[in-house]
Amino acid sequence: NAGVTQTPKFQVLKTGQSMTLQCAQDMNHNSMYWYRQDPGMGLRLIYYSASEGTTDKGEVPNGYNVSRLNKREFSLRLESAAPSQTSVYFCASSVQGFNTGELFFGEGSRLTVL
Amino acid sequence: GENVEQHPSTLSVQEGDSAVIKCTYSDSASNYFPWYKQELGKRPQLIIDIRSNVGEKKDQRIAVTLNKTAKHFSLHITETQPEDSAVYFCAARGDMRFGAGTRLTVKP
Repeated sequence: NAGVTQTPKFQVLKTGQSMTLQCAQDMNHNSMYWYRQDPGMGLRLIYYSASEGTTDKGEVPNGYNVSRLNKREFSLRLESAAPSQTSVYFCASSVQGFNTGELFFGEGSRLTVL
Repeated sequence: GENVEQHPSTLSVQEGDSAVIKCTYSDSASNYFPWYKQELGKRPQLIIDIRSNVGEKKDQRIAVTLNKTAKHFSLHITETQPEDSAVYFCAARGDMRFGAGTRLTVKP
């Protein structure tokens, strides 16, 4: 099993460009999450999907959109990138909801917006 | 949403010493408290977790204690080793929020 796979691992964008971060899990998990990590700020939740067909805003959703394409895949889209979105993005999944146990994280995607 | 405060933000210890990291939370309904370890350049990984019906849980050199009355829980690492050097994050129920993290450095 590959676990949680994110692509791309690195990306450089210019201000105003758009891009989509892809995430897929092969553990048959119901819940999936997108976090961003900035120095000194810990992990902040952008959006989550408790189950296939549902998505909800997290702590810092502005400037992002998500799509739960199917049970395996959860993508994060930046429609018009801004320098403030320079960060490391982590996708994660869990069996069912945050309280049911371990979050499994992907390797992260480092995004730089110039 | 849930506020999770984590202290200290940095911690430096000598190899073999103990390290303690503390988190406080505000939501009385919180019932699940995990700790994650993130080595430099890697993904966070769960190292230990505790549920509200238990006061303490141990796994070899790592332990977590929970005080529901005071609304805080702590990570204890005994006999620290250089490979324990990492950033540690706590979390609590409610908006799936993490603490800001503690950078632990174990000096050989």
